[in-house]
Amino acid sequence: DAGITQSPRYKITETGRQVTLMCHQTWSHSYMFWYRQDLGHGLRLIYYSAAADITDKGEVPDGYVVSRSKTENFPLTLESATRSQTSVYFCASSGSTTLNAEAFFGQGTRLTVV
Amino acid sequence: GENVEQHPSTLSVQEGDSAVIKCTYSDSASNYFPWYKQELGKGPQLIIDIRSNVGEKKDQRIAVTLNKTAKHFSLHITETQPEDSAVYFCAASRGQNFVFGPGTRLSVLP
Repeated sequence: DAGITQSPRYKITETGRQVTLMCHQTWSHSYMFWYRQDLGHGLRLIYYSAAADITDKGEVPDGYVVSRSKTENFPLTLESATRSQTSVYFCASSGSTTLNAEAFFGQGTRLTVV
Repeated sequence: GENVEQHPSTLSVQEGDSAVIKCTYSDSASNYFPWYKQELGKGPQLIIDIRSNVGEKKDQRIAVTLNKTAKHFSLHITETQPEDSAVYFCAASRGQNFVFGPGTRLSVLP
């Protein structure tokens, strides 16, 4: 199916475990983003990528790792999950590299760290 | 860095009335201002956007206004319908980094 998909939709993990959230887009968009959504904070940028093998930190990168070996995939890894990382995570992609362009969001992954 | 404030945090209107959500931003270099609508259990979806060289933009029942001097922009929804009930986010960006406001939960009462 065309679009941007995230997996899993729901995840419960224990403190200290490593967990990876997956994001896949079929548009060959150059830009991809990871946001976390918490009540009262809106959407905060964790990491973004301008192209394959190019990633950069956003507003709240601590405790997260990303990679982008292929244009279509942008996984987000929590190396050692903490309760403060309980959140809803959204992946997004955008096609333009020079002009402001619409960002398309996935359905989100609700992560609970117990 | 950029900071975006959004008011009100919650808004209830009667069906058919208008709704207005206001945002302010801090970085005068921001030049793109999208509005996203998020329905329950879904990701945000773009509903309208405006660029810094335009003062107003309208698309059917929704409109956005931008005041660059005051660094604020607003979303206007007229003739509200129950399906307009959702969380609305404003954002400001320069380049591809979007900074979002905290969101407004709009409830349209039948």
